[in-house]
Amino acid sequence: DVQLVESGGGLVKPGESLRLSCAASGFTFSSYSINWVRQTPGTGLEWVSAIDTSGTSISYADSVKGRFTLSRDNAKNSLYLQMNSLRAEDTAVYYCARELFGSGTRPYDYWGQGTLVTVSS
Amino acid sequence: EIVMTQSPATLSVSPGERATLSCRASQSVNSKLAWYQQKPGQAPRLLIYDASTRATGIPARFSGRGSGTEFTLTISSLQSEDFAVYYCQQYNNWPLTFGGGTKVEIK
Repeated sequence: DVQLVESGGGLVKPGESLRLSCAASGFTFSSYSINWVRQTPGTGLEWVSAIDTSGTSISYADSVKGRFTLSRDNAKNSLYLQMNSLRAEDTAVYYCARELFGSGTRPYDYWGQGTLVTVSS
Repeated sequence: EIVMTQSPATLSVSPGERATLSCRASQSVNSKLAWYQQKPGQAPRLLIYDASTRATGIPARFSGRGSGTEFTLTISSLQSEDFAVYYCQQYNNWPLTFGGGTKVEIK
């Protein structure tokens, strides 16, 4: 079965850092682009970042550009989101999500269970 | 950024009835439109992609149509498990954007 398992969430203070991980199993990880999407009660679903199969093409939402860094290790079937200079507005449940197989940008056919990030003093 | 607007915010429907949800894009997204279903405490689930293609395992009572800026998701006969929040997402342009959601509740 396809599984995506996020970890690394928690409570941090504004300005601090956190590293989220997404462990994949049940599919050929290196063949799929993976995204991070976050969700808050107030702002709904927000796309955060995307990485292609090789890790050479990475995109970020303007709200996180320059603060977040996405990477992947295909040998370890894992994805990493380094989040620096965290702000209160980064508080959300963070999901990693697999893009549907195919060329070009695709929607997400599998999602993890999410990990909660809370930024508060 | 393409703004996705969903209507209505809440839809009250009786089991067995038809539900029609709308999603409008602020500019054309061609047919690069997906619909997701989300239940409390769960991640979203892909229902429809490319505006009208059902994802694997999705029942035939779910159908999508539209192109350009106007899209609809129809649930032909609501089952108890269909009461949830539904989101549309465009993936034609960066940044990818989602609508604010439509909650389908029991009437």
